[in-house]
Parts: sequence; C-alpha cells; structure tokens
Amino acid sequence: GQNIDQPTEMTATEGAIVQINCTYQTSGFNGLFWYQQHAGEAPTFLSYNVLDGLEEKGRFSSFLSRSKGYSYLLLKELQMKDSASYLCAVRDRNDYKLSFGAGTTVTVRA
Amino acid sequence: EPEVTQTPSHQVTQMGQEVILRCVPISNHLYFYWYRQILGQKVEFLVSFYNNEISEKSEIFDDQFSVERPDGSNFTLKIRSTKLEDSAMYFCASSDSGGSNGYTFGSGTRLTVV
Repeated sequence: GQNIDQPTEMTATEGAIVQINCTYQTSGFNGLFWYQQHAGEAPTFLSYNVLDGLEEKGRFSSFLSRSKGYSYLLLKELQMKDSASYLCAVRDRNDYKLSFGAGTTVTVRA
Repeated sequence: EPEVTQTPSHQVTQMGQEVILRCVPISNHLYFYWYRQILGQKVEFLVSFYNNEISEKSEIFDDQFSVERPDGSNFTLKIRSTKLEDSAMYFCASSDSGGSNGYTFGSGTRLTVV
C-alpha cells in the first residue's frame, strides 16, 4: 500500500514562491504525479516524475528523490488563480492506479 | 485538447436505488478508472479497467459496485443499492499506456443519496 503525507495548508503572497513537500512510503514505486484541484472541480495534471531530479514546466517545477521517498512542487510567481488544493499522487510499480495524498490547500493573498 | 466527459454532473437519488454514472474516456487511451472524493476528503481509488476487464479494485469497490464498457466509447459505474455514505463526487479518469502525460480526469458526477 501507499502512505502519502503532505501539509494541510499553506499561505503565500502574490508574486512569491511556495514549495509543497510530499513524502511517501510505498511497497513499489512507478512514478509521482502532482495535480491541482480547485474546489468542486476535477484534478488537473501538473507534473510527472519517475527519475530523480527536477522537472520544470513554466512557473511550476517538481522534484523527486526516490531514495528519500520525497518530492516537492515549487510554484513561482504566484498568482491569485493559483489558490487551490495541490495533490501528490504515487503510482504503484505493479499496477496503474494512483494513490493520492490528502492535498495541500494553498491560499494566495494580495 | 482531448477531454474525459462525464454525465450527469449532478445526481440525487433515494437510498436503496440504483444509479449509473457514465463516462466517455479519451479515445486513444487504454486504461480507465473510477475514483471518488467524499466532501473534504482525499481522492480515493475505486477500480481500474483494462482490456475489457477489471485490473484492480479497492476495498471500497464491493459487490454493490460494477463497471462496464458497453461499447467502444462509454465506461459506466453502477451502484446497485445506494447508501447515504455513497454520497460523493465520482471522477472517471483515463490514461495512455505509460501515463507520463498524466491521467486525465473528467469533471465528475456529484452523487447525493437522500
């Protein structure tokens, strides 16, 4: 099974940077995904890491360390529309399902 | 951009009734999933479907649940005898073989059991 931990809430100022950490314990690992979810809406895909290192995609970057069971999502140049829940999800080596963390609610203040 | 379509967007049903939630996955995807999210809680895996059969299911997916791909495009989730605790947002998702482009989620069906 999977055990995925991420902070419950974070607050940051418009234009700033926020880093959301995720730690996981899994019997098998085949990729880590980050999703954004606005209230009442579907999760939308942000990033995918399967090898160690940093993946950059515009204002969003995601980092993975498989040996530490650790990932972070970095949001730069925060905008008000980035206020949302950010979900860390791990894929098991033996199947294709995603197991989600409880999500981190990010509030961006002016 | 291709999307996963779900209907209906909202469904209210009486306890004990059967409901069918419908999904049209992305056409060239091979893997299909149902997830649910109870209000204020995390997204939970229900079932995955590949090659016209269930590949994995969670403990939540008991005998009251079933999935079907009745034709080449639709993917349905049936809840046979709904309970109050089945009230949740149900998301359908699909992915290609590798999933490196992410799993695409539909906009969800909000099921309310009264």
